[in-house]
Amino acid sequence: QVQLQESGPGLVKPSQTLSLTCTVSGASISSHGDYWTWVRQHPGKGLEWIGYIHYSGTTYYNPSLKSRVTISVDTSRNQFSLNLNSVTAADTAVYYCAKGGYSSAAYWGQGTLVTVSS
Amino acid sequence: EIVLTQSPGTLSLSPGERATLSCRASQSISSSSLAWYQQKSGQAPRLLIYGASNRATGIPDRFSGSGSGTDFTLTISRLEPEDFAVYYCQQYGSSSWTFGQGTKVEIK
Repeated sequence: QVQLQESGPGLVKPSQTLSLTCTVSGASISSHGDYWTWVRQHPGKGLEWIGYIHYSGTTYYNPSLKSRVTISVDTSRNQFSLNLNSVTAADTAVYYCAKGGYSSAAYWGQGTLVTVSS
Repeated sequence: EIVLTQSPGTLSLSPGERATLSCRASQSISSSSLAWYQQKSGQAPRLLIYGASNRATGIPDRFSGSGSGTDFTLTISRLEPEDFAVYYCQQYGSSSWTFGQGTKVEIK
């Protein structure tokens, strides 16, 4: 079955870059119809879409984060990644990776908490 | 940016009761672009409904979605103990997603 697993540092210093990787199993990241998504959730709050990527490399980002976000795909490793630069405490959140179409996501990773603190 | 407003913020009901959750968009959206998710504490969201009214794989038929334009509804016909959770609507438009703020369905 399809599984996604986030990995990366759980603690990032302010002004540095948050980098996460999502490893996909049970599905090919090169699948034509799929979009590979990042969503975050601030502690005790709702869901915020960060952006997504198609294996072709086409990306779409949340306008409020666009200047700081890069999502990339590594087809050889069946992974996709998130880079968020110039982080502040406001970027402390649980980060989820997900798989779906352009309009919704049916498969989600378990999420990983990233804390921004010195 | 399209804003989704969910109501009520909290719904207190008993098992076996019917739950009706509302999601209102700040402008008209395509029905094909509206989804509903369930999230339990400490877990990832779970897709329930896509395209406003289509149940995702494995979702029980007590969950149903309806609506069009700016007003959408998620109905749980008879609440089971495992249905008490937070529910989010989400829309796709202009190559971007937005989520509603969530409705918590709690045990009365």
